[in-house]
Amino acid sequence: SSELTQDPAVSVALGQTVRITCQGDSLRTYYASWYQQKPGQAPELVIYRNNNRPSGIPDRFSGSTSGNTASLTITGAQAEDEADYYCNSRDTSGDRGVFGGGTRLTVL
Amino acid sequence: EMQLVESGGALVQPGGSLRFSCAASGFTLGGSWMSWVRQAPGKGLEWVANINQDGSDKYYADSVKGRFTISRDNAKNSLFLQMNSLRVEDTAVYYCTRERRGTYSYYGLDVWGQGTTVTVSS
Repeated sequence: SSELTQDPAVSVALGQTVRITCQGDSLRTYYASWYQQKPGQAPELVIYRNNNRPSGIPDRFSGSTSGNTASLTITGAQAEDEADYYCNSRDTSGDRGVFGGGTRLTVL
Repeated sequence: EMQLVESGGALVQPGGSLRFSCAASGFTLGGSWMSWVRQAPGKGLEWVANINQDGSDKYYADSVKGRFTISRDNAKNSLFLQMNSLRVEDTAVYYCTRERRGTYSYYGLDVWGQGTTVTVSS
C-alpha cells in the first residue's frame, strides 16, 4: 500500500479552481512534487520542492503544504488540464521514493 | 534540450532476466542522482530504485530488492536496470528519470524518458 494517499478522482468546471491533495506522514519532513500524466504519455513534473514550478509550466498550477498534507491547486482549470496527477516524496525512512495512488482530474 | 531515452523492452517468461538501458543527452548524467519508476498497465506510478552520482549509494523498493540492480556508466552517460527473476507483476512501462536535488534534499523528478516496456508472461 502507498504511504501517500490521494483521492482517486476529482472534477472541476471549466475555468474554476480545483485542489488535489496528498496525505502522508513523510510530508512533514520531506518535500512534495507533483506530476501530470496524460494518456499514452510519460509523466511531467508540474511542481517540485512543494511549491516551485519548472519553466514552461503555466502559473495556474501552484503547490502548498500544511502538516502532513501537500496540495496541488489549479486556478482557472483548462480543458487541457484533464489528466492523472501524482504526488511524490520520500518514504518515512527518507531513503526511498514513494508516489501517491494518483488522482484523475476531469474538467467539465 | 535534456533527454532520456530508454531501451531494452521485451517479452520475457517468468523467471527470466532483462536489462534496460537509459541514454542521457543535453546534460551530464554523472552530476545527478537517477531513478527508475514503473507503471503497470492501468495502474499508478511506482518508484523502483535510485542511485547516487558515483554509484556508491543505491536504494530499492521492497518489491524488487534482491532481484533488480541499478547501475550507471557516467563515461557513457548511461543508466541501467538489470532485472532478474522476473515475475508477472513486474509487467510495466519503466521510466528512467533524473532527480532534482538540493544539497541535502530531494526536490522531485525533473526529466523523464518516454518509457520502455517489459511484459512478463508464459
